[in-house]
Amino acid sequence: DVKVTQSSRYLVKRTGEKVFLECVQDMDHENMFWYRQDPGLGLRLIYFSYDVKMKEKGDIPEGYSVSREKKERFSLILESASTNQTSMYLCASSSIGDTQYFGPGTRLTVL
Amino acid sequence: GENVEQHPSTLSVQEGDSAVIKCTYSDSASNYFPWYKQELGKRPQLIIDIRSNVGEKKDQRIAVTLNKTAKHFSLHITETQPEDSAVYFCAASAGNFGNEKLTFGTGTRLTIIP
Repeated sequence: DVKVTQSSRYLVKRTGEKVFLECVQDMDHENMFWYRQDPGLGLRLIYFSYDVKMKEKGDIPEGYSVSREKKERFSLILESASTNQTSMYLCASSSIGDTQYFGPGTRLTVL
Repeated sequence: GENVEQHPSTLSVQEGDSAVIKCTYSDSASNYFPWYKQELGKRPQLIIDIRSNVGEKKDQRIAVTLNKTAKHFSLHITETQPEDSAVYFCAASAGNFGNEKLTFGTGTRLTIIP
């Protein structure tokens, strides 16, 4: 059974703070993804990675960066959090040619 | 880039009736079309998917149809039950293996009326 976990379910940060969101998968998947989910906007891709140390920009990468030092772990970094980054963040992983499996999500509030 | 439009945004149907959700996509190179179901407070989960070499796929009460010429695909749920109430997302991908980069629709909130 595929397991994708995220470091926190709920997170509250202040404007200007550096924020780390972590995602871990235990299925040796090559691909990992970060999305944000906002009401009425669906899921929007921030960044994805198809291999260790590789990353590709998604549709809304501004204000975010990522790190993939190990195959099972993909981190999303907000260098200086802003209120418009308050959102639900979903991580996903997949093997080549297979469906994406999602983590439980992290609801981030930036005050 | 790819653009996926999904309609309707909300849908209410009587228990036992059918529900249809429609999506259109813009990139003619798209070749993989999954549908995800997200129950309240839970993660999205794949319920069915279709690749561009197939026109229709069925799994019990759920079916997906694809019209490549018109660039649209639809989710059909028959004999709806209360547990079908959720938000449904369509997506499209044009990657080499079909799953590298999904573009999602904005979602349909389906409510089944008992």
